[in-house]
Amino acid sequence: AQSVAQPEDQVNVAEGNPLTVKCTYSVSGNPYLFWYVQYPNRGLQFLLKYITGDNLVKGSYGFEAEFNKSQTSFHLKKPSALVSDSALYFCAVRDNNAGNMLTFGGGTRLMVKP
Amino acid sequence: DAGVTQSPTHLIKTRGQQVTLRCSPKSGHDTVSWYQQALGQGPQFIFQYYEEEERQRGNFPDRFSGHQFPNYSSELNVNALLLGDSALYLCASSFGTVWEQYFGPGTRLTVT
Repeated sequence: AQSVAQPEDQVNVAEGNPLTVKCTYSVSGNPYLFWYVQYPNRGLQFLLKYITGDNLVKGSYGFEAEFNKSQTSFHLKKPSALVSDSALYFCAVRDNNAGNMLTFGGGTRLMVKP
Repeated sequence: DAGVTQSPTHLIKTRGQQVTLRCSPKSGHDTVSWYQQALGQGPQFIFQYYEEEERQRGNFPDRFSGHQFPNYSSELNVNALLLGDSALYLCASSFGTVWEQYFGPGTRLTVT
């Protein structure tokens, strides 16, 4: 079975500082990995994905994520946080040996203080 | 370009009733997936429809059923509603079953 862990319920960072939101996964086959962001009372917005290739993936709004196969991690990063980045972030995995369902982590709330 | 749309936005039902939620996929997308997001949790996969067939199902009881129409739109039906069915129901569409899914704004279902 595939699973995702987001070990931090909340991450606090000052505006202008770099941010990292952590994600680890477990799959039996090769992983397809995704990050989504959710604003209050809204659906999920796609940020970026890793399918294959370069381990550093660049996405929307200046976010990037680094795939680390040996550590089974896919941490989300941004060099300089904005107050408007404050939201709920979800990591998701699809095991290409287990069909097409996405399995999501429990989410990490990012709070960026001015 | 219209994104994924869902209706209704909010819904209040009583235990034991039945509900139907609707989803129109993003233009050009042919695959629709449904997720349940309980308060404070990540979305849980219910099922996925492609070519008008249920392709994969998550760990949800048979009270949850769906349909996909020839225009790729989809419905989620829940029978015999329980209090625990109260959640945000998200529809996601994609082109084929491989690539990233784009989510709609969701339908907030409250069961009293």
